[in-house]
Amino acid sequence: NAGVTQTPKFRVLKTGQSMTLLCAQDMNHEYMYWYRQDPGMGLRLIHYSVGEGTTAKGEVPDGYNVSRLKKQNFLLGLESAAPSQTSVYFCASEEDRMGPQHFGDGTRLSIL
Amino acid sequence: RKEVEQDPGPFNVPEGATVAFNCTYSNSASQSFFWYRQDCRKEPKLLMSVYSSGNEDGRFTAQLNRASQYISLLIRDSKLSDSATYLCVVVEYGNKLVFGAGTILRVKS
Repeated sequence: NAGVTQTPKFRVLKTGQSMTLLCAQDMNHEYMYWYRQDPGMGLRLIHYSVGEGTTAKGEVPDGYNVSRLKKQNFLLGLESAAPSQTSVYFCASEEDRMGPQHFGDGTRLSIL
Repeated sequence: RKEVEQDPGPFNVPEGATVAFNCTYSNSASQSFFWYRQDCRKEPKLLMSVYSSGNEDGRFTAQLNRASQYISLLIRDSKLSDSATYLCVVVEYGNKLVFGAGTILRVKS
C-alpha cells in the first residue's frame, strides 16, 4: 500500500529559485493538506484542499501556492524560495475532516 | 496562550517504567483528540484516538478531561522502541486540526 507519497524527499535550493513539491495519495481521500514542521514547533498548516479543484489557505500560506487538479494529487509550489522556507514539509490526506490524517514521509527542503 | 501545549521533555526513563504525558488545549469547543507518534526525521503516525470515556490499546492508555481541557497518554512497561516524539492533536470546532509541538520520550536500557 503506497498511501501518501511525497516527491522529492530532499532538495537544496538557492534563494529566488522556484520548485514544486508533489503529493500523491491512492486512498481516494477528499481532503489533502500541506504542513511545514520546524524545530520546537508543531506542524503548521500551509494550505489545504477539500476536494478536486479546491484549495484554501491555512495558518502560514504566504510564499506558497497550491493546486489540486486531480483528486489524488496536491502540489505545493514555491515561486521564489527564501531561507525562511527551509523546513520539513509534510503532506497528509484524510477521508473526512474529523481525522485521523495519513502522512507522507516528508520533504526536507533547504534554501541557501 | 498556544492552542495546544505540551511539555517538550525530554522524558528519560528506564525500560519497564511507566510514563505519562499531558497535553492542554485552549478551545473548549474542540471535538476530537489524537495522539501521534513521530520518530526522528520520519512522518507522524497515528498512535491512538482519545475517547471521552478513556481508551486503552495494549500498554497505552489515553484519557480526556474536558473540564480541565487536557488529554493524557500513559505508557506502561516502556520499551526501547517507544523512544520517539509524541504529538498531541486536537480537532477544533470547524474541523481545524491543531498539532502540539510534541513531547520527546527516551527509553534507556
